[in-house]
Amino acid sequence: AQSVTQPDIHITVSEGASLELRCNYSYGATPYLFWYVQSPGQGLQLLLKYFSGDTLVQGIKGFEAEFKRSQSSFNLRKPSVHWSDAAEYFCAPSSGNTGKLIFGQGTTLQVKP
Amino acid sequence: DTGVSQDPRHKITKRGQNVTFRCDPISEHNRLYWYRQTLGQGPEFLTYFQNEAQLEKSRLLSDRFSAERPKGSFSTLEIQRTEQGDSAMYLCASSPGQGFSGELFFGEGSRLTVL
Repeated sequence: AQSVTQPDIHITVSEGASLELRCNYSYGATPYLFWYVQSPGQGLQLLLKYFSGDTLVQGIKGFEAEFKRSQSSFNLRKPSVHWSDAAEYFCAPSSGNTGKLIFGQGTTLQVKP
Repeated sequence: DTGVSQDPRHKITKRGQNVTFRCDPISEHNRLYWYRQTLGQGPEFLTYFQNEAQLEKSRLLSDRFSAERPKGSFSTLEIQRTEQGDSAMYLCASSPGQGFSGELFFGEGSRLTVL
């Protein structure tokens, strides 16, 4: 069965520190991969996506993610976190041709001043 | 604003009542999705429309749940005989095009509280 795992439920980092959020997926083939962010009271917003090609993809707000086929991972990174990055982050592979996204449990990011 | 619109944003109801949520997708998006999100969890897929055709339903969508998209534009999600376990955020998303479409555009959700 297709599945996605975000091992870290909650992460706290200091403002200005680097960030890495982990995502592992289990699919029969390489899925299309997405990271979404959900801020309190706001809808889900796309950060970045991977379809094919270059395994390092750039997104909005200074985020990037690297697809590693051998590890079935698609980890999200940011070199320097800002207080406004505090939010819930979801990794979501896409299932088949319907475009349906399968979301992970999410990682809550807290940023210390 | 031409984003995905959901109404109402908040609904409080008593157990056993029926509720209906409406979603207006981005204009000309022919794919529409409903998800449910409970506290501390990621969104769970409920159902998917391609134009007016409902092409996939999750097992989460019990007989008390029904979704329609009668003219391939807006969609409604009805929950009959609500239960406390139905309390959640109901999210609607849309995407354009045929085949694989990439990004889903989400609304801000309709929060349901069943007392």
